[in-house]
Amino acid sequence: DIVMTQSPDSLAVSLGERATINCKSSQSVLYSSNNKNYLAWYQQKPGQPPKLLIYWASTRESGVPDRFSGSGSGTDFTLTISGLQAEDVAVYYCQHYYTTPATFGQGTRLEIK
Amino acid sequence: QVQLQESGPGLVKPSETLSLTCTVSGGSITSYYWSWIRQPAGKGLEWLGRIYYSGSSDYNPSLKSRLTLSIDTSKNQFSLKLNSVTAADTAVYYCARESARPGVDYWGQGTLVTVSS
Repeated sequence: DIVMTQSPDSLAVSLGERATINCKSSQSVLYSSNNKNYLAWYQQKPGQPPKLLIYWASTRESGVPDRFSGSGSGTDFTLTISGLQAEDVAVYYCQHYYTTPATFGQGTRLEIK
Repeated sequence: QVQLQESGPGLVKPSETLSLTCTVSGGSITSYYWSWIRQPAGKGLEWLGRIYYSGSSDYNPSLKSRLTLSIDTSKNQFSLKLNSVTAADTAVYYCARESARPGVDYWGQGTLVTVSS
């Protein structure tokens, strides 16, 4: 199985500042045939199912604010939230879809400083 | 707007079989992969498996011997059966749709299943 490791486990960021969450896969999730990274990011708020934010590592899902951005390729990925807002408090997960099982990272809890 | 709704018992006894059904509305089940994902209280997400409308399926090897997925396109439903459950199987179970791009774009609200005698 591909192991997804997120860092940090938690972080606190001031309102309006930038939050950066990292995700590392134990093997590359880049398909050479289409040059796409099979990596997604989710936001989960308490009592709710996760919400898809980013797919193909860097493509924003429809309706997701542009302060959310994804980057990276191969084994190292980053979710950046620029201009943190109060409603961004949540747990964030990365997930690969390179093979099955499509494992998730352990999650990163984002709080307001 | 596609909606998914899990249904099934909220309490299952140890060693018995956990059975859940997901009903899809607002769209046809005859496309996409349909998945099950679970989350123990206060913990992270675990991908359990997925099934295509044709019936082909993929399972998490950690559960493969205990897990069976099925789909009923006539009812727009898909189902999960997990046998020989233990307390470790206590979790919120989500049914979900995997989009053509990688990622789950629609989720059920989740149903809590507790394994206890």
